[in-house]
Amino acid sequence: NAGVMQNPRHLVRRRGQEARLRCSPMKGHSHVYWYRQLPEEGLKFMVYLQKENIIDESGMPKERFSAEFPKEGPSILRIQQVVRGDSAAYFCASSRVLEETQYFGPGTRLLVL
Amino acid sequence: GENVEQHPSTLSVQEGDSAVIKCTYSDSASNYFPWYKQELGKRPQLIIDIRSNVGEKKDQRIAVTLNKTAKHFSLHITETQPEDSAVYFCAASIQTGGAQKLVFGQGTRLTINP
Repeated sequence: NAGVMQNPRHLVRRRGQEARLRCSPMKGHSHVYWYRQLPEEGLKFMVYLQKENIIDESGMPKERFSAEFPKEGPSILRIQQVVRGDSAAYFCASSRVLEETQYFGPGTRLLVL
Repeated sequence: GENVEQHPSTLSVQEGDSAVIKCTYSDSASNYFPWYKQELGKRPQLIIDIRSNVGEKKDQRIAVTLNKTAKHFSLHITETQPEDSAVYFCAASIQTGGAQKLVFGQGTRLTINP
């Protein structure tokens, strides 16, 4: 049973470009969470999605950031017009329905030049 | 909203000694408290969790205690080993509008000295 998968593991973008981060939850998990971790800091909640629905996006910046979890395929976190301050590790986690335990993917380390 | 405070931010102990990390939370409705271990450049890994209907839980050298009245919970690692060196995060779950999410503490960097 494969764990949570994320790709790419490393992503380099220039200022103004778009970044697309993908997350495939564990088999049998239908809830996906995205977190951002700045260097030497903790994990900050961004968004919580179920299939085809955004449940809670209170931690996601209103501009430039969007997330989706389509009926088929991975969850996508999209950052438009990236800025240097977007450089961070982005982790996704998944859980089963009605279970609180979240399992994390390996993360995508985004570097904006 | 929920706020989780974690102390200390750094902790250094001799190999074989015990390590204790403490967290407090603000939302009395929180009912699930996991602990994650994160090694450098790796993903956070769940090491132990506790639910609010339990006061203590143990798994080999790791134990977690919960005091609901005082709204704090602690991680205890006994007989520490060099491979225990990592950053440890506590978290508390909150429910908002039908959604459940985790709020994390700031992390504790644990160093085990041989």
